[in-house]
Amino acid sequence: GAGVSQTPSNKVTEKGKYVELRCDPISGHTALYWYRQSLGQGPEFLIYFQGTGAADDSGLPNDRFFAVRPEGSVSTLKIQRTERGDSAVYLCASSRAAGELREQYFGPGTRLTVT
Amino acid sequence: GENVEQHPSTLSVQEGDSAVIKCTYSDSASNYFPWYKQELGKGPQLIIDIRSNVGEKKDQRIAVTLNKTAKHFSLHITETQPEDSAVYFCAASWSSGYSTLTFGKGTMLLVSP
Repeated sequence: GAGVSQTPSNKVTEKGKYVELRCDPISGHTALYWYRQSLGQGPEFLIYFQGTGAADDSGLPNDRFFAVRPEGSVSTLKIQRTERGDSAVYLCASSRAAGELREQYFGPGTRLTVT
Repeated sequence: GENVEQHPSTLSVQEGDSAVIKCTYSDSASNYFPWYKQELGKGPQLIIDIRSNVGEKKDQRIAVTLNKTAKHFSLHITETQPEDSAVYFCAASWSSGYSTLTFGKGTMLLVSP
């Protein structure tokens, strides 16, 4: 079956611009996570959705970052006034449900470059 | 919060040898420990995981061991093959209804033919 998909695969933007990154989770997965991976590092948690609501956004670095999941499936990560330090690979993961079945499956990521 | 340390950062082995990657974690409440393999330009792929109620789990050439008392867990790959070359990440989480993963910094494994 189809895995987690993310678009675009690459995004180059100028400092100060606004960007949107999209995640399409595995069908039927109710939990969705966003992570950010800097070069040579492991993924770092940003935000978690259970259904339509953001259950934990404690990893968002500041208020320039926002994410939505209006219908409980596709999610969009939004970054305002981008800075060069935002350059990273943004990964999305989904899992069947919270609780006991907790395997998270990752998408290929969106590589964001802020010039 | 949770902190995960991973060693070594790079590991080179000959094809057919075994490889071992070790991780330690700080939060004794953590109870779920997955391992991911990440190839260049791809997202992390779950290869094996272990929960705190078992000490060892094996799947063909890969195995994971967990020592909750010492708060460390390890990935063992036997009979390594060149296609095992990738970056491997360990992670830890605890469940309060969901499981945010805290990752180690990764180990680059290079298997030479």
